[in-house]
Amino acid sequence: DIQMTQSPSSVSASVGDRVTITCRASQGISSWLAWYQQKPGKAPKLLIYTASSLQSGVPSRFSGSGSGTDFTLTISSLQPEDFATYYCQQANSFPPTFGQGTKVEIK
Amino acid sequence: QVQLQESGPGLVKPSETLSLTCTVSGGSISTSYWSWIRQPPGKGLEYIGYIYYSGRTNYNPSLKSRVTISLDTSKNQFSLKLSSVTAAATAIYYCARLREGDSFDIWGQGTMVTVSS
Repeated sequence: DIQMTQSPSSVSASVGDRVTITCRASQGISSWLAWYQQKPGKAPKLLIYTASSLQSGVPSRFSGSGSGTDFTLTISSLQPEDFATYYCQQANSFPPTFGQGTKVEIK
Repeated sequence: QVQLQESGPGLVKPSETLSLTCTVSGGSISTSYWSWIRQPPGKGLEYIGYIYYSGRTNYNPSLKSRVTISLDTSKNQFSLKLSSVTAAATAIYYCARLREGDSFDIWGQGTMVTVSS
């Protein structure tokens, strides 16, 4: 299985801050990467697919980049509703695997 | 818009079979890939498997010997069976649509299943 490693595990930030989360794959996955946001007690929500494509309805302050083994999710200006846990997921080969999550907390 | 809803027992005894159903509304199940994912309390996400509308399945090798996913097109439902469960199977179970085989774009709300005697 392809291992996905996110960093940091948690980040404290303020409203308006720029936040960047990194995801590294244990082997090359081209651009087959997705990002999800999960709030407590809720199902994950798809934000980004194929590394940089914004899912319909997702605010443009979310963006994704990268290819191969290294990827980033950026929130350009953190909003109160963005405090959540974020997961990356590789879609290059089965089984799909997820990172361990990055919790974005209020500073 | 397509919506998913999980249903099934919230408590299963060790060594028994966990059975869940996902009902698809607002669209036909006769398209796309339909999947199951689980999340132990306070932990990350684990892919269990998918079924394509044609009936083709794919299972996580770590669970393959104990998992069956099936489809009922007449009811617009798909189901999960996980046999010989232990406490390690205690988790929130989500059904989700696997879009074009790459990302999970629609999720059910999830259902908590506890394995305990």
